[in-house]
Amino acid sequence: QQKVQQSPESLIVPEGGMASLNCTFSDRNSQYFWWYRQHSGEGPKALMSIFSNGDKKEGRFTAHLNKASLYVSLHIKDSQPSDSALYFCAPNQGGRALIFGTGTTVSVSP
Amino acid sequence: EAAVTQSPRNKVAVTGGKVTLSCNQTNNHNNMYWYRQDTGHGLRLIHYSYGAGSTEKGDIPDGYKASRPSQENFSLILELATPSQTSVYFCASGDAAYSYEQYFGPGTRLTVL
Repeated sequence: QQKVQQSPESLIVPEGGMASLNCTFSDRNSQYFWWYRQHSGEGPKALMSIFSNGDKKEGRFTAHLNKASLYVSLHIKDSQPSDSALYFCAPNQGGRALIFGTGTTVSVSP
Repeated sequence: EAAVTQSPRNKVAVTGGKVTLSCNQTNNHNNMYWYRQDTGHGLRLIHYSYGAGSTEKGDIPDGYKASRPSQENFSLILELATPSQTSVYFCASGDAAYSYEQYFGPGTRLTVL
């Protein structure tokens, strides 16, 4: 059973600031790594994925993957109030499903 | 955009009663999933399915059954509901053949008294 741990549990970021979310995983066979975002009262929605070592940028969001270190991160640049949400890291578990971490709550303060 | 719907959105049940949560997807995805979300535990996989007629146990299947009568529909059944099953339940669909992206429904809040 893959273990996925996220840190910090929560963080407060000033509007316009940078938010950095960390995630470690235990299964070296994982190939796909997703970040999901969940606004209060809604279902999680896919934000972006990464499957090659290095950085991947999509707009204000940058994901970083280091498979050897079993580590993936997400950085949110120029944070907006609409970025306030619960963020999940989710690597795949074989061909079965995604395994979700416990999440990081991001609060963007105006 | 991919569409997953769940019903009911809210449910109050009594201990020992039977509860059925329903999920419908119009994405034509082969895979469907049931998760529960509790504070401090993230999303935990209960059951999943690879297609009509198939169900597989996830990480926390005890106390739950699943049914996949068609490509579009996937149900989660609590035969004898207990207060520990009070939670928010999410259904998702996805195609694991490529990127494992999953599309989630809006959730069902279940309270077992």
